[in-house]
Amino acid sequence: DSGVTQTPKHLITATGQRVTLRCSPRSGDLSVYWYQQSLDQGLQFLIQYYNGEERAKGNILERFSAQQFPDLHSELNLSSLELGDSALYFCASSVQGAQDTQYFGPGTRLTVL
Amino acid sequence: GQQVMQIPQYQHVQEGEDFTTYCNSSTTLSNIQWYKQRPGGHPVFLIQLVKSGEVKKQKRLTFQFGEAKKNSSLHITATQTTDVGTYFCVIQGGKLIFGQGTELSVKP
Repeated sequence: DSGVTQTPKHLITATGQRVTLRCSPRSGDLSVYWYQQSLDQGLQFLIQYYNGEERAKGNILERFSAQQFPDLHSELNLSSLELGDSALYFCASSVQGAQDTQYFGPGTRLTVL
Repeated sequence: GQQVMQIPQYQHVQEGEDFTTYCNSSTTLSNIQWYKQRPGGHPVFLIQLVKSGEVKKQKRLTFQFGEAKKNSSLHITATQTTDVGTYFCVIQGGKLIFGQGTELSVKP
Protein backbone atom coordinates (compact mmCIF):
# COMPACT_ATOMS: atom_id res chain seq x y z
CA ASP A 1 0.00 0.00 0.00
CA SER A 2 1.60 3.25 -1.21
CA GLY A 3 -0.57 5.53 0.92
CA VAL A 4 -2.06 7.19 -2.16
CA THR A 5 -5.77 6.61 -2.61
CA GLN A 6 -7.81 6.99 -5.75
CA THR A 7 -11.55 6.83 -6.30
CA PRO A 8 -13.42 5.38 -7.97
CA LYS A 9 -11.63 2.16 -8.84
CA HIS A 10 -13.68 1.62 -11.98
CA LEU A 11 -15.79 3.98 -14.03
CA ILE A 12 -17.94 3.15 -17.02
CA THR A 13 -19.54 5.96 -18.92
CA ALA A 14 -20.69 6.99 -22.39
CA THR A 15 -19.12 9.17 -25.04
CA GLY A 16 -19.73 12.86 -24.55
CA GLN A 17 -20.02 12.56 -20.79
CA ARG A 18 -17.91 14.18 -18.08
CA VAL A 19 -16.28 12.41 -15.14
CA THR A 20 -14.18 13.37 -12.13
CA LEU A 21 -11.39 11.24 -10.74
CA ARG A 22 -10.21 11.84 -7.21
CA CYS A 23 -6.83 11.39 -5.59
CA SER A 24 -5.61 11.75 -2.00
CA PRO A 25 -1.81 11.95 -1.72
CA ARG A 26 0.32 10.42 1.00
CA SER A 27 0.30 12.38 4.22
CA GLY A 28 2.88 15.16 3.96
CA ASP A 29 3.35 14.99 0.20
CA LEU A 30 2.92 18.33 -1.53
CA SER A 31 3.10 17.25 -5.18
CA VAL A 32 0.45 15.33 -7.05
CA TYR A 33 0.88 13.92 -10.55
CA TRP A 34 -1.65 12.50 -12.98
CA TYR A 35 -0.84 9.85 -15.59
CA GLN A 36 -2.77 8.09 -18.31
CA GLN A 37 -1.86 4.52 -19.21
CA SER A 38 -3.24 2.93 -22.33
CA LEU A 39 -2.10 -0.07 -24.34
CA ASP A 40 -1.03 1.94 -27.38
CA GLN A 41 0.38 5.06 -25.67
CA GLY A 42 2.07 3.58 -22.64
CA LEU A 43 2.34 5.66 -19.47
CA GLN A 44 1.84 9.34 -20.27
CA PHE A 45 2.41 12.16 -17.83
CA LEU A 46 -0.55 14.55 -17.81
CA ILE A 47 0.02 17.21 -15.18
CA GLN A 48 1.70 17.99 -11.85
CA TYR A 49 0.47 20.17 -9.00
CA TYR A 50 2.58 21.39 -6.14
CA ASN A 51 0.92 22.78 -3.03
CA GLY A 52 -2.14 23.87 -4.98
CA GLU A 53 -0.35 25.35 -7.98
CA GLU A 54 0.19 23.84 -11.41
CA ARG A 55 3.89 22.94 -11.67
CA ALA A 56 4.33 21.02 -14.94
CA LYS A 57 2.17 20.09 -17.86
CA GLY A 58 2.50 17.04 -20.06
CA ASN A 59 0.31 15.58 -22.76
CA ILE A 60 -2.95 16.74 -21.25
CA LEU A 61 -5.81 17.38 -23.64
CA GLU A 62 -7.79 20.62 -23.49
CA ARG A 63 -10.87 18.56 -22.61
CA PHE A 64 -9.09 17.51 -19.42
CA SER A 65 -8.44 19.70 -16.42
CA ALA A 66 -7.16 19.19 -12.92
CA GLN A 67 -6.85 21.01 -9.66
CA GLN A 68 -5.32 20.54 -6.25
CA PHE A 69 -7.28 21.71 -3.25
CA PRO A 70 -6.06 23.31 0.02
CA ASP A 71 -6.16 19.93 1.75
CA LEU A 72 -3.86 18.73 -1.08
CA HIS A 73 -6.23 16.22 -2.59
CA SER A 74 -6.58 16.49 -6.34
CA GLU A 75 -9.23 15.95 -8.96
CA LEU A 76 -8.88 15.21 -12.64
CA ASN A 77 -11.86 16.24 -14.74
CA LEU A 78 -12.39 14.61 -18.11
CA SER A 79 -15.08 16.05 -20.35
CA SER A 80 -16.59 15.36 -23.79
CA LEU A 81 -15.31 11.85 -23.40
CA GLU A 82 -14.29 9.84 -26.44
CA LEU A 83 -13.74 6.13 -26.88
CA GLY A 84 -10.00 6.76 -27.00
CA ASP A 85 -10.05 8.16 -23.47
CA SER A 86 -10.59 4.67 -22.12
CA ALA A 87 -7.49 3.99 -20.05
CA LEU A 88 -6.07 3.52 -16.61
CA TYR A 89 -5.53 6.83 -14.84
CA PHE A 90 -2.92 6.91 -12.12
CA CYS A 91 -2.29 9.53 -9.51
CA ALA A 92 1.09 9.74 -7.79
CA SER A 93 2.45 11.94 -5.05
CA SER A 94 5.87 12.99 -3.84
CA VAL A 95 7.23 15.01 -0.97
CA GLN A 96 8.35 17.98 -3.06
CA GLY A 97 9.13 17.78 -6.77
CA ALA A 98 9.77 15.38 -9.61
CA GLN A 99 13.27 14.53 -8.35
CA ASP A 100 11.68 12.80 -5.37
CA THR A 101 10.31 9.29 -5.31
CA GLN A 102 6.79 9.16 -6.63
CA TYR A 103 4.27 6.93 -4.92
CA PHE A 104 1.51 5.72 -7.20
CA GLY A 105 -2.09 5.06 -6.31
CA PRO A 106 -3.94 1.93 -7.47
CA GLY A 107 -5.45 3.76 -10.44
CA THR A 108 -8.92 4.37 -11.84
CA ARG A 109 -9.93 2.29 -14.83
CA LEU A 110 -12.11 4.38 -17.13
CA THR A 111 -14.16 2.72 -19.82
CA VAL A 112 -15.95 4.91 -22.34
CA LEU A 113 -18.67 3.13 -24.31
CA GLY B 1 11.08 17.45 -27.33
CA GLN B 2 13.19 15.30 -25.10
CA GLN B 3 12.66 11.58 -25.52
CA VAL B 4 13.94 8.38 -24.07
CA MET B 5 14.16 5.13 -25.99
CA GLN B 6 13.80 1.93 -24.00
CA ILE B 7 14.58 -1.51 -25.39
CA PRO B 8 13.60 -4.23 -25.73
CA GLN B 9 9.84 -3.86 -25.60
CA TYR B 10 9.37 -7.49 -24.51
CA GLN B 11 11.66 -10.11 -23.07
CA HIS B 12 10.75 -13.70 -22.36
CA VAL B 13 13.24 -15.66 -20.30
CA GLN B 14 13.52 -18.99 -18.60
CA GLU B 15 13.71 -18.79 -14.84
CA GLY B 16 17.34 -18.49 -13.85
CA GLU B 17 18.40 -16.60 -16.97
CA ASP B 18 19.60 -13.01 -16.84
CA PHE B 19 17.66 -10.01 -18.12
CA THR B 20 18.71 -6.52 -19.17
CA THR B 21 16.74 -3.47 -20.27
CA TYR B 22 18.30 -0.31 -21.68
CA CYS B 23 17.31 3.33 -21.83
CA ASN B 24 18.90 5.86 -24.17
CA SER B 25 18.47 9.59 -24.37
CA SER B 26 19.71 11.98 -27.04
CA THR B 27 20.46 14.59 -24.39
CA THR B 28 22.43 14.58 -21.16
CA LEU B 29 20.28 13.70 -18.19
CA SER B 30 20.35 15.18 -14.72
CA ASN B 31 19.17 11.89 -13.28
CA ILE B 32 17.21 8.80 -14.21
CA GLN B 33 14.73 6.80 -12.20
CA TRP B 34 13.55 3.21 -12.58
CA TYR B 35 10.11 1.87 -11.75
CA LYS B 36 8.53 -1.57 -11.86
CA GLN B 37 4.88 -2.29 -12.57
CA ARG B 38 3.56 -5.76 -11.81
CA PRO B 39 0.70 -7.06 -13.99
CA GLY B 40 -2.50 -5.39 -12.81
CA GLY B 41 -0.58 -3.16 -10.42
CA HIS B 42 0.78 0.34 -10.27
CA PRO B 43 4.34 1.57 -10.87
CA VAL B 44 6.63 1.22 -7.88
CA PHE B 45 9.84 3.19 -7.49
CA LEU B 46 13.02 1.12 -7.61
CA ILE B 47 15.94 3.54 -7.70
CA GLN B 48 17.32 6.89 -8.81
CA LEU B 49 20.74 7.38 -10.42
CA VAL B 50 22.38 10.79 -10.39
CA LYS B 51 26.14 10.53 -10.89
CA SER B 52 28.01 9.80 -14.08
CA GLY B 53 29.03 6.13 -14.22
CA GLU B 54 27.03 5.31 -11.10
CA VAL B 55 26.31 1.67 -10.36
CA LYS B 56 23.82 0.63 -7.71
CA LYS B 57 22.77 -2.83 -6.65
CA GLN B 58 19.62 -4.13 -5.03
CA LYS B 59 20.04 -7.86 -4.42
CA ARG B 60 19.89 -9.38 -7.93
CA LEU B 61 19.22 -6.03 -9.63
CA THR B 62 22.08 -3.88 -10.92
CA PHE B 63 21.44 -0.37 -12.18
CA GLN B 64 23.98 1.61 -14.21
CA PHE B 65 24.14 5.21 -15.37
CA GLY B 66 26.37 5.86 -18.35
CA GLU B 67 29.51 7.96 -18.16
CA ALA B 68 27.95 10.56 -20.46
CA LYS B 69 24.68 10.44 -18.49
CA LYS B 70 22.76 9.66 -21.66
CA ASN B 71 21.97 6.03 -21.05
CA SER B 72 21.13 3.63 -18.30
CA SER B 73 20.55 -0.06 -17.83
CA LEU B 74 18.86 -2.42 -15.42
CA HIS B 75 20.24 -5.93 -15.19
CA ILE B 76 18.60 -8.77 -13.29
CA THR B 77 20.72 -11.80 -12.49
CA ALA B 78 19.10 -15.23 -12.33
CA THR B 79 15.52 -14.11 -12.87
CA GLN B 80 12.72 -15.44 -10.70
CA THR B 81 8.99 -15.55 -11.35
CA THR B 82 8.61 -12.67 -8.89
CA ASP B 83 10.54 -10.46 -11.34
CA VAL B 84 7.65 -10.54 -13.81
CA GLY B 85 6.36 -7.11 -14.76
CA THR B 86 7.14 -4.04 -16.80
CA TYR B 87 10.24 -2.01 -16.03
CA PHE B 88 10.23 1.69 -16.86
CA CYS B 89 12.96 4.29 -16.88
CA VAL B 90 11.90 7.86 -16.19
CA ILE B 91 13.67 11.07 -17.11
CA GLN B 92 12.91 14.69 -16.38
CA GLY B 93 12.93 17.28 -19.13
CA GLY B 94 10.65 20.00 -17.89
CA LYS B 95 8.10 17.25 -17.51
CA LEU B 96 8.35 13.62 -16.53
CA ILE B 97 8.94 11.24 -19.41
CA PHE B 98 8.47 7.52 -19.04
CA GLY B 99 10.23 5.12 -21.36
CA GLN B 100 8.03 2.72 -23.29
CA GLY B 101 8.81 0.03 -20.75
CA THR B 102 10.20 -3.48 -21.06
CA GLU B 103 7.75 -6.23 -20.26
CA LEU B 104 9.49 -9.18 -18.67
CA SER B 105 7.92 -12.60 -18.55
CA VAL B 106 9.61 -15.50 -16.77
CA LYS B 107 8.89 -19.12 -17.56
CA PRO B 108 9.27 -21.41 -14.54
